[in-house]
Amino acid sequence: DIVMTQSPDSLAVSLGERATINCKSSQSVLYSSKNKSYLAWYQHKAGQPPKLLLYWASTRESGVPDRFSGSGSGTDFTLTISSLQAEDVAVYYCHQYYSTPPTFGQGTKVEIK
Amino acid sequence: QLQLQESGSGLVKPSQTLSLTCAVSGDSISSTRYSWSWIRQPPGKGLEWIGYIYHTGSTYYNPSLQSRVTISLDRSKNQFSLRLSSVTAADTAVYYCARGGVLIPFDYWGQGTLVAVSS
Repeated sequence: DIVMTQSPDSLAVSLGERATINCKSSQSVLYSSKNKSYLAWYQHKAGQPPKLLLYWASTRESGVPDRFSGSGSGTDFTLTISSLQAEDVAVYYCHQYYSTPPTFGQGTKVEIK
Repeated sequence: QLQLQESGSGLVKPSQTLSLTCAVSGDSISSTRYSWSWIRQPPGKGLEWIGYIYHTGSTYYNPSLQSRVTISLDRSKNQFSLRLSSVTAADTAVYYCARGGVLIPFDYWGQGTLVAVSS
């Protein structure tokens, strides 16, 4: 199984400031022939299902604000919220869909400082 | 607009079988492009993929649950189902159905249903 490790486990950021979450996979999730990393990011708010934010590591899902961006390739990935808003308080998960079983990171809790 | 909705028993006794159904609207589960998954989240913990099923009926299960899990399709009702046998308190979780899982992300999710295992 590919193990996904996120850091930090939690972070507190002031409104309007940048939040950065890292995700590392135990093996590459880059599909070389397609030049795509099979890595997604989700936002999970209490009482709601997870919401897909980004896929192919950096492609924003329709309707996702552009303050959310993703970067990285292979084994190291980053989710950045450029200017944190109150509605961004949530747990964020990375997820590899390169191989079965699909696996998630342990989650990063984002709060307002 | 694709919608998924879980239904089933919210309380299961230890050693019995958990059964849930996911009704899909807005797309056919017979679509050749997608897989259909079950995912769970125990209280205070992260997300765990349980398994998925293709339109062909082929299934893939999390090795940690494989001996207890069955996922099936009902094309006539456009729904898919989860059965988890011999449950224990560790199976208490919010259970989600979702589209995707193999080579594509989970792009649509049901609202989730809490299943408690208790006598």
